Amino acid sequence: EPEVTQTPSHQVTQMGQEVILRCVPISNHLYFYWYRQILGQKVEFLVSFYNNEISEKSEIFDDQFSVERPDGSNFTLKIRSTKLEDSAMYFCASSLRAGVANQPQHFGDGTRLSIL
Amino acid sequence: GENVEQHPSTLSVQEGDSAVIKCTYSDSASNYFPWYKQELGKRPQLIIDIRSNVGEKKDQRIAVTLNKTAKHFSLHITETQPEDSAVYFCAAKAANFNKFYFGSGTKLNVKP
Repeated sequence: EPEVTQTPSHQVTQMGQEVILRCVPISNHLYFYWYRQILGQKVEFLVSFYNNEISEKSEIFDDQFSVERPDGSNFTLKIRSTKLEDSAMYFCASSLRAGVANQPQHFGDGTRLSIL
Repeated sequence: GENVEQHPSTLSVQEGDSAVIKCTYSDSASNYFPWYKQELGKRPQLIIDIRSNVGEKKDQRIAVTLNKTAKHFSLHITETQPEDSAVYFCAAKAANFNKFYFGSGTKLNVKP
């Protein structure tokens, strides 16, 4: 069964540095998402992406964050000037369709981001 | 925006018993409701979903019910097994918005 893959599995970064989290969605999926999960808390929506542009974003997704699909397979989340409170598990997800014909999201294994 | 509330936060049942987890949502435009199971340190995995045009859906020991009028939906697990122990999240999504709102999670412990 095809899977969403994320790299790295664990990223340790100094506060103030930039990080790029990488995701390879399932190949025929059209909708891509990033979520954040602080340890022991719920999954929080960050952003959705379709047709090479952001379709929705949450209040968490401020100017510090950006997403990009640099080629036909990768989907990245960049966090500029990281803060201690950015420490969390970041999940990428993809789905075949959204909108009226909702399709399930498939999640990757996540990247654990630790800011020191 | 949408607000999803989930109860209980923890649930402990004896193996073989049933477990029920409930979620309420606030936005009547929400029309898609997936449930995810997350084992410790792992990815959320979809276990069942329901769309607003049906009231109930069943898949072996797992079922989901939806009451659109009351704006709540529930996950039912029958004949629970120790391997059902995990955190379960509900979520809601509106048709015209590509954005999912998650509940706060229920930690289910099935005692052998």
